[in-house]
Amino acid sequence: NAGVTQTPKFRVLKTGQSMTLLCAQDMNHEYMYWYRQDPGMGLRLIHYSVGEGTTAKGEVPDGYNVSRLKKQNFLLGLESAAPSQTSVYFCASSYSLAGGWGEETQYFGPGTRLLVL
Amino acid sequence: GDSVTQMEGPVTLSEEAFLTINCTYTATGYPSLFWYVQYPGEGLQLLLKATKADDKGSNKGFEATYRKETTSFHLEKGSVQVSDSAVYFCALPSGGYNKLIFGAGTRLAVHP
Repeated sequence: NAGVTQTPKFRVLKTGQSMTLLCAQDMNHEYMYWYRQDPGMGLRLIHYSVGEGTTAKGEVPDGYNVSRLKKQNFLLGLESAAPSQTSVYFCASSYSLAGGWGEETQYFGPGTRLLVL
Repeated sequence: GDSVTQMEGPVTLSEEAFLTINCTYTATGYPSLFWYVQYPGEGLQLLLKATKADDKGSNKGFEATYRKETTSFHLEKGSVQVSDSAVYFCALPSGGYNKLIFGAGTRLAVHP
């Protein structure tokens, strides 16, 4: 049981290049999330998904796109990278509890460190 | 809107010292409250949670009590160890679907 995995672990891009970050979970979770972590700002939600084939914007979605074609995978794309997107990116997942309050635990991947020059 | 405010770090302590990391929140209603921990080079993991007022969450010697009157959820540990060195995040559910709002994080460094 690997939990949440992220690929790659580290990447350097030049301004204007594109790339895709892959997140995979083996816990059969319905919900998945992409965050960015910047010094002094905690984690900020970029996009999230509440099920296969669905995506929604979070707090800081500009410059990113996502797709969830399979339940276990959630992809984050940068079409034209900018230096402001230098950050550490975390993927997380959680299960949906019928009748729950939407307050279940999130499980995080190890992160992808991205440097945009 | 909902928000979380944490004390700024870094916090530097000697082994066996007492730890407090302050967290206050603004929220509609009475949501659950969480503390997550991020060890060096790793992702976040849940440390503890409390689901209602006056609840005390606890794990690995850490405790936090949900104080509705002061809208606080301070993290405490009676005797820290070097292995507790990490970044600690207070978090609040907001907007459904288990989405979280995180505080800025507090870095703790414990020296032998």
